Amino acid sequence: EAAVTQSPRNKVTVTGGNVTLSCRQTNSHNYMYWYRQDTGHGLRLIHYSYGAGNLQIGDVPDGYKATRTTQEDFFLLLELASPSQTSLYFCASTGSGNTLYFGEGSRLIVV
Amino acid sequence: GDQVKQSPSALSLQEGTNSALRCNFSIATTTVQWFLQNPRGSLMNLFYLVPGTKENGRLKSTFNSKESYSTLHIRDAQLEDSGTYFCAAEASNTDKVVFGTGTRLQVSP
Repeated sequence: EAAVTQSPRNKVTVTGGNVTLSCRQTNSHNYMYWYRQDTGHGLRLIHYSYGAGNLQIGDVPDGYKATRTTQEDFFLLLELASPSQTSLYFCASTGSGNTLYFGEGSRLIVV
Repeated sequence: GDQVKQSPSALSLQEGTNSALRCNFSIATTTVQWFLQNPRGSLMNLFYLVPGTKENGRLKSTFNSKESYSTLHIRDAQLEDSGTYFCAAEASNTDKVVFGTGTRLQVSP
């Protein structure tokens, strides 16, 4: 079973704060994704990546940066956090032609 | 959002009954995935589909690419089937995987 690990699992920050969410997969998957989950919206794609050094824009990228430093590691950066970014964030990875494997989620609260 | 429309948004079933969930796609879709999010929030893959049908126990899913929809049939619903079901479409030529807004299923005795 593919392993995707997210950290932190829970985070509270203030408006204007700086937050980094981390995701590591140990399955040699090329593709990694960051989603946010909000009631009434399902999962919405923020950023994704094909491999180390690659970054693709998702459907709701505003206010977020991302960086894929290695094949294993994909980071989501909120440099000026706002209350609208309070959400449950999921990271996922996949190899070509395979299902998505999700981490356990990171709950972020911006006060 | 509107790229993947999922219905119904909520569903209540009695144990032992059958039902079907549906996703309609307004984007060109190469593959479809179905997930169950359990009450703890974990997302578990149920099916990964190219056009066609797959079956796993009491679950059966079809992806019809010509008519741009997918269905998930649940037979003999059990209490542990409760949770939120999501479909997700892989968009052609982009590798984006776009989710529907989910169907919240409650199975009761």
